[in-house]
Amino acid sequence: DQQVKQNSPSLSVQEGRISILNCDYTNSMFDYFLWYKKYPAEGPTFLISISSIKDKNEDGRFTVFLNKSAKHLSLHIVPSQPGDSAVYFCAASSSNTDKLIFGTGTRLQVFP
Amino acid sequence: EAQVTQNPRYLITVTGKKLTVTCSQNMNHEYMSWYRQDPGLGLRQIYYSMNVEVTDKGDVPEGYKVSRKEKRNFPLILESPSPNQTSLYFCASSLSMASSDTQYFGPGTRLTVL
Repeated sequence: DQQVKQNSPSLSVQEGRISILNCDYTNSMFDYFLWYKKYPAEGPTFLISISSIKDKNEDGRFTVFLNKSAKHLSLHIVPSQPGDSAVYFCAASSSNTDKLIFGTGTRLQVFP
Repeated sequence: EAQVTQNPRYLITVTGKKLTVTCSQNMNHEYMSWYRQDPGLGLRQIYYSMNVEVTDKGDVPEGYKVSRKEKRNFPLILESPSPNQTSLYFCASSLSMASSDTQYFGPGTRLTVL
């Protein structure tokens, strides 16, 4: 039972355009959400997070949007750069357990 | 440099031959955990440790053991590896278990069990 789902295994975007990565969750107890980025042969690295008390968090080119009623979050990257090509994992946790549940990942390719 | 290290990075072994994957962090983190990454399944937690001598099962603990005798080290032990344990393994550490504390991941260990 996948509590955190990333339904798009891959996404291809032209350099300079916006990349939108999506994530859906089923557990209404989740109250903290994160995005991690993973390059080949490296471990995941933290990118950006959002608490359920907010609906948007921005950090430079990266913005995460949270829609609690739809149990949906998205990561926007604008403008996309070739160096953004990586696998992106969304993750969620609840303050009850603090246990991180990861999605299956989306492979983003940014082409020139 | 603050980091999480894992060894070995690559390992090919045979069914039933005991192996240990080491994990070490130099950030004085209390919380450490092990994940495995499999296609279509994402990252799943195997075991975690909130502090020295405190370990607990994650979502997929069967076939694995861990120990936390020192704060910096958190080895993953496969007593009798089987082919379904072929996977990419990541160790991670953070200040505490709170999800607001960033988890730092090691570079991964690719294990193949024949």
